[in-house]
Amino acid sequence: DVVMTQSPLSLPVTLGQPASISCRSSQSLVYTNGNTYLSWFHQRPGQSPRRLIYKVSDRDSGVPDRFSGSGSGTDFTLKISRVEAEDIGVYYCMQGTHWPYTFGQGTKLEIK
Amino acid sequence: EVQLLDSGGGLVQPGGSLRLSCTASGFTFSAYAMAWVRQAPGKGLECVSVISASSASIYYADSVKGRFTISRDNSKNTLLLQVNSLRAEDTAIYYCAKSYSSTSIGGLDYWGQGTLVTVSS
Repeated sequence: DVVMTQSPLSLPVTLGQPASISCRSSQSLVYTNGNTYLSWFHQRPGQSPRRLIYKVSDRDSGVPDRFSGSGSGTDFTLKISRVEAEDIGVYYCMQGTHWPYTFGQGTKLEIK
Repeated sequence: EVQLLDSGGGLVQPGGSLRLSCTASGFTFSAYAMAWVRQAPGKGLECVSVISASSASIYYADSVKGRFTISRDNSKNTLLLQVNSLRAEDTAIYYCAKSYSSTSIGGLDYWGQGTLVTVSS
């Protein structure tokens, strides 16, 4: 199985400051069609995960533009340009290139 | 608006069975692959099974292979997961999730609210 490794696992951030989460995969996530199926999800306590980013850098409809995704191959990053209170929760990366789909361990973002 | 309504969870003894159901609306169900993802209490996410739009391709995680069976009824916009021989480690919230393609490749976009399965004597 493809192992997804996130860092950091805990991310205390001051409101208005930027935040960055790294996700590394144990093998390339580039599919034979040239697409890279790496997504980012946000889960608030007691809620289902909500997708923010797909195919590395495409933002889902309704997701604020302070969220951005980047990377290639095996190294990926989610950045929040200015953290807001509603951004608290756990962030997961997920690969959909290889079965089984696998997720990172999750990064818990909290406000300092 | 895409909606996925999960149901069927509950308390079951080790070795028991349940049938989880997901009713979909707001999109052309028959055009998309679907998956079940579980989350043990306080833990991360594990995708346990995926089924292609036509049911031609089905995959299971090793942890549930031989015990869980995924199926779908495109005429009823319904996704099912038959879970047998349940173990304590199967205790989790089970989420139905929609793929953004018709095949097992790509990933997931929309998720249901989840249904809790508790395996305990």
